[in-house]
Amino acid sequence: AQSVTQPDIHITVSEGASLELRCNYSYGATPYLFWYVQSPGQGLQLLLKYFSGDTLVQGIKGFEAEFKRSQSSFNLRKPSVHWSDAAEYFCAVGSSGSARQLTFGSGTQLTVLP
Amino acid sequence: DAGVIQSPRHEVTEMGQEVTLRCKPISGHNSLFWYRQTMMRGLELLIYFNNNVPIDDSGMPEDRFSAKMPNASFSTLKIQPSEPRDSAVYFCASQGNGIQYFGAGTRLSVL
Repeated sequence: AQSVTQPDIHITVSEGASLELRCNYSYGATPYLFWYVQSPGQGLQLLLKYFSGDTLVQGIKGFEAEFKRSQSSFNLRKPSVHWSDAAEYFCAVGSSGSARQLTFGSGTQLTVLP
Repeated sequence: DAGVIQSPRHEVTEMGQEVTLRCKPISGHNSLFWYRQTMMRGLELLIYFNNNVPIDDSGMPEDRFSAKMPNASFSTLKIQPSEPRDSAVYFCASQGNGIQYFGAGTRLSVL
């Protein structure tokens, strides 16, 4: 069975500081990996995805993530955080097949200090 | 495209009442997913459809929950009778090119 662990429940950073959110997954085959962001009262918005190829993937809003198979990790990074990045971030692993079931981590709540 | 559209956005009902949540997926997407989000349990997959056919409903908590997809452009999630523990945010997502796109959710409060 697939699973995702986000070890940090809550992270606080200052505006302009760099950010790294951790994600570890468990999946028996080549994983399909995603990061979503959820602002209060909103649905989940896709930030980026990894299906294959280059292990460093770029996403929207200046985010990037690196797939490291040896560490079963897919950490999300941003070099300089903006106040508008405050939200909850979810890592997910998807199954293969035409209908890709997602298993989500428990989320990391990001607070940005002025 | 308007994205995935869910209605209503908020629903307040009394215990024992029937609740119907609605979802219009993105046109052309073949798979549709219903999720429930709570503080205690996070995001849980309830059921998903592929080409309007229910594939896996193992996440549906009990027989009080049912879901239908009568055509490619509409799905419903019904709770009958509702209970206070059903209070949560319910999301619908449709999938295209291997990516799930989420609606804004329905916040359900059962009193």
